[in-house]
Amino acid sequence: GDSVTQMEGPVTLSEEAFLTINCTYTATGYPSLFWYVQYPGEGLQLLLKATKADDKGSNKGFEATYRKETTSFHLEKGSVQVSDSAVYFCALDGRTGNQFYFGTGTSLTVIP
Amino acid sequence: KAGVTQTPRYLIKTRGQQVTLSCSPISGHRSVSWYQQTPGQGLQFLFEYFSETQRNKGNFPGRFSGRQFSNSRSEMNVSTLELGDSALYLCASSSLQGNWETQYFGPGTRLLVL
Repeated sequence: GDSVTQMEGPVTLSEEAFLTINCTYTATGYPSLFWYVQYPGEGLQLLLKATKADDKGSNKGFEATYRKETTSFHLEKGSVQVSDSAVYFCALDGRTGNQFYFGTGTSLTVIP
Repeated sequence: KAGVTQTPRYLIKTRGQQVTLSCSPISGHRSVSWYQQTPGQGLQFLFEYFSETQRNKGNFPGRFSGRQFSNSRSEMNVSTLELGDSALYLCASSSLQGNWETQYFGPGTRLLVL
């Protein structure tokens, strides 16, 4: 079945460091891929998405490229800020069973 | 457009009681999904409703049920509460855009079972 495997956390970085959070997926069809972010005490917010191979999603300095050949959708940001501290979830919509599949989440803490 | 709203935001119940949570989706969205989030299990899918019909269901016991009304608002009910039901319950609404959907989440209802 469809699934998402996400890099284990927690991740701690200094401000202005480069961020990569790895995400790989398994899907039988052609899924859409998403990154969601959850700030403390809040629900999930859509960060970015990509709907087909080689698409690049971007938002607030974050980027992720849909790589079909490596079944990956890694999240990157060139220079993190303290305000980026949150939990990040990779997800896919496999269009099968009308269900989203989420990774386990990666907690990011950015220290000044 | 207003976002997804969930009520109540916080709830304290005791074991054996039942609880009903409410979710109002974004206007025009016909699909509503429910998730349970706990520190140990992460995000777990409960069920999804579309046009008042349950389309998909996760692996939860029958104590967890839901429904959707004609205006797309949804409720989920948990009967005979257990301590392990303490969690953040998230609702998400979505609309089909081409061949894919994006889920938009509410702030959640935090349930504490004592």
